[in-house]
Amino acid sequence: NAGVMQNPRHLVRRRGQEARLRCSPMKGHSHVYWYRQLPEEGLKFMVYLQKENIIDESGMPKERFSAEFPKEGPSILRIQQVVRGDSAAYFCASSPDRGGYTFGSGTRLTVV
Amino acid sequence: AQSVTQLDSQVPVFEEAPVELRCNYSSSVSVYLFWYVQYPNQGLQLLLKYLSGSTLVKGINGFEAEFNKSQTSFHLRKPSVHISDTAEYFCAVSGFSGATNKLIFGTGTLLAVQP
Repeated sequence: NAGVMQNPRHLVRRRGQEARLRCSPMKGHSHVYWYRQLPEEGLKFMVYLQKENIIDESGMPKERFSAEFPKEGPSILRIQQVVRGDSAAYFCASSPDRGGYTFGSGTRLTVV
Repeated sequence: AQSVTQLDSQVPVFEEAPVELRCNYSSSVSVYLFWYVQYPNQGLQLLLKYLSGSTLVKGINGFEAEFNKSQTSFHLRKPSVHISDTAEYFCAVSGFSGATNKLIFGTGTLLAVQP
């Protein structure tokens, strides 16, 4: 079992470009969570998805951010028209049910 | 709504000394409690969790934590630390209710073990 796989590990984007972050949950896990860690801060919840459904997006910024978890393939966190303030580490976690998270190693986004 | 407070942003300690990292939480519902460790430029690794039952929880790497409901605390302890324990430690809480099992994290405590 490969664990939660996130790619890329590092992503550099210029202001105004789009960033696409991918997360493949552990085998058998149908619940995916995205968190953002800003420098010198803890992790903040962004969105919770099950296959083809967004369950809770209360932590997502209202504009430019979107997430999906299609029936086939990884979960995608998309950030359109990135700004410097989007620079952060983005972590994905998966679970088989409502407990027992496993985190990925994260994608570190740098906006230049 | 839940919240987590880690009062100490950094805890320096000498190798082989005991350490306690403090965590207090607030919640209007019953909670699950967690401690995670993050090594530089890596993801989060679960150290231990309290779901129910015994209030003293033992985790990996010799760490343990005690759930104290009256004081709303879940402090992390280790009797003798090693250089390799140097990392950021996060306390987190998850509420029982609602459809979302999201974790609310504290701001973290950097454990700096010195030789």
